Amino acid sequence: KQEVTQIPAALSVPEGENLVLNCSFTDSAIYNLQWFRQDPGKGLTSLLLIQSSQREQTSGRLNASLDKSSGRSTLYIAASQPGDSATYLCAVKVSNFGNEKLTFGTGTRLTIIP
Amino acid sequence: EAQVTQNPRYLITVTGKKLTVTCSQNMNHEYMSWYRQDPGLGLRQIYYSMNVEVTDKGDVPEGYKVSRKEKRNFPLILESPSPNQTSLYFCASSFNRGRYGYTFGSGTRLTVV
Repeated sequence: KQEVTQIPAALSVPEGENLVLNCSFTDSAIYNLQWFRQDPGKGLTSLLLIQSSQREQTSGRLNASLDKSSGRSTLYIAASQPGDSATYLCAVKVSNFGNEKLTFGTGTRLTIIP
Repeated sequence: EAQVTQNPRYLITVTGKKLTVTCSQNMNHEYMSWYRQDPGLGLRQIYYSMNVEVTDKGDVPEGYKVSRKEKRNFPLILESPSPNQTSLYFCASSFNRGRYGYTFGSGTRLTVV
């Protein structure tokens, strides 16, 4: 059974710093991995999608990496801003057949201090 | 705009009173799914649908029903809600078995008293 862990559960950093959020998963046979952000009381906004054959994806100040063999993904945020404050969730999709569900971590709540 | 629309956004109801949460997507996605989010437990899948008239249970289906009569709509039905179904609910859809990722709705905050 796939399990996804995100540590730490909460993180506070001063504005302007670069930071890394971690995601680990137990079953390396993933199809893809998706990073989301969730603002309080709001829905999930997709940030980056990494296919199992890829090593990283970039969008603006965000860079996500994937190491399937070690069961890890990281989300790097450059030059953090107060608007980056949110909960960040990673989710893995295990197979391309049968139930196409995502398995989520419980998230890292990020606070950027002005 | 491509999106998944859930209604209502907020709902307070009483135990035992049947309710339906609607979900609609305008992207012609074949796959749709419902999740619930609870503190400390993350998001867990309730039901999913691979296409019209094809639905199946996820990890936590007890107390819920779904139907998929049209490709764009996937309502979640609580026949007799109980307080343990108080949660934040999300609908999601995807194309080509999630190859391009999943799109989520804005969520429905349900409180059962």
